[in-house]
Amino acid sequence: NAGVMQNPRHLVRRRGQEARLRCSPMKGHSHVYWYRQLPEEGLKFMVYLQKENIIDESGMPKERFSAEFPKEGPSILRIQQVVRGDSAAYFCASSPRAMNTEAFFGQGTRLTVV
Amino acid sequence: ILNVEQSPQSLHVQEGDSTNFTCSFPSSNFYALHWYRWETAKSPEALFVMTLNGDEKKKGRISATLNTKEGYSYLYIKGSQPEDSATYLCAFSSTTSGTYKYIFGTGTRLKVLA
Repeated sequence: NAGVMQNPRHLVRRRGQEARLRCSPMKGHSHVYWYRQLPEEGLKFMVYLQKENIIDESGMPKERFSAEFPKEGPSILRIQQVVRGDSAAYFCASSPRAMNTEAFFGQGTRLTVV
Repeated sequence: ILNVEQSPQSLHVQEGDSTNFTCSFPSSNFYALHWYRWETAKSPEALFVMTLNGDEKKKGRISATLNTKEGYSYLYIKGSQPEDSATYLCAFSSTTSGTYKYIFGTGTRLKVLA
């Protein structure tokens, strides 16, 4: 049973480009969570999704950021028109049901905006 | 505003010492309290999930307690070893009107000196 898979592991984008981060949850997990870790800071919640539904996006910046978890395929975190301040490590986690069970984290995607 | 606080921020102990950290969280709308261990360059690894007031969990030399009424959890490490060096994160999940929030603390960085 493969763990949570994130790709790419490292992503470099120029300012103004789009960044797409992918997260494939563990088999049987229908809940996905995205977190951002800014340099020298802890993990910050961004968005919580179930299949085809956004449950809580209170941690997402209002502009340029979007997330989806389609019926088929990985969850995608999309950042449009990236700026230097978007440089961070983005982690996703998955769980089989709501958050009273263990969440399993991926290895993260390190985004660098140049 | 939901806030999870961990103390101390960082800690150096000698090999063989026992140590403990604190996680403070809001006592309202409590759903679950999670502890994670996060080693550098890896993804967070779940240690415990606790849901009931008075819960105590143990895994090897590591144990945790939960007080939901006063809003705190303690993580204990008995006889610390260099391989215990990591950041220990707690996360609090709450539910309001069926929506779940999952808030991480900034972690306690533990360094065990040989």
